[in-house]
Amino acid sequence: ILNVEQSPQSLHVQEGDSTNFTCSFPSSNFYALHWYRWETAKSPEALFVMTLNGDEKKKGQISATLNTKEGYSYLYIKGSQPEDSATYLCAPMNYGGSQGNLIFGKGTKLSVKP
Amino acid sequence: EAQVTQNPRYLITVTGKKLTVTCSQNMNHEYMSWYRQDPGLGLRQIYYSMNVEVTDKGDVPEGYKVSRKEKRNFPLILESPSPNQTSLYFCASSFSRGNTEAFFGQGTRLTVV
Repeated sequence: ILNVEQSPQSLHVQEGDSTNFTCSFPSSNFYALHWYRWETAKSPEALFVMTLNGDEKKKGQISATLNTKEGYSYLYIKGSQPEDSATYLCAPMNYGGSQGNLIFGKGTKLSVKP
Repeated sequence: EAQVTQNPRYLITVTGKKLTVTCSQNMNHEYMSWYRQDPGLGLRQIYYSMNVEVTDKGDVPEGYKVSRKEKRNFPLILESPSPNQTSLYFCASSFSRGNTEAFFGQGTRLTVV
């Protein structure tokens, strides 16, 4: 099973602050990396699916980068708003056999205070 | 509206009483999977299905069964539930196995007493 590490575990910021989280994963046989946003009492929703080394994706004030050679991805939120409060999950996937499924990290829980 | 529908949303049951959690998607997705979420752990995959009549074990399959007789439906079956299966369960579907986004159902909160 892939070892997926997300840091920090939790983060408290003020409205307007910019923030970033890290997802680390084994770089061998990399296939894809997903980011999901999970609000309390709701279902996880996809933010990004990234497959190429050096990929950079953006959705509104949220962006993500991917380094498959060293096995990490960053998620950035510019000018956090209270509605950005959620748990952010990353899920890498590697090639082959039983590893060919998404493995979710424990997430980074973001709280944005007004 | 594109969606994944799980039922029931909440369920309290007793040890040993068979139950089924249904999952249905209307997006013609080939890939479906079941996850459980427990405190302090990430979402862990129970079973997945690549297509009709093709299912396989995930990371924590013990005590669960699934079937995929139709493309849209992927029920999760607990033949003899035990308290350690108390958890939050999510069904998810995607167009393909890993390079397309997954759509999650609303979740089923199961308590086994």
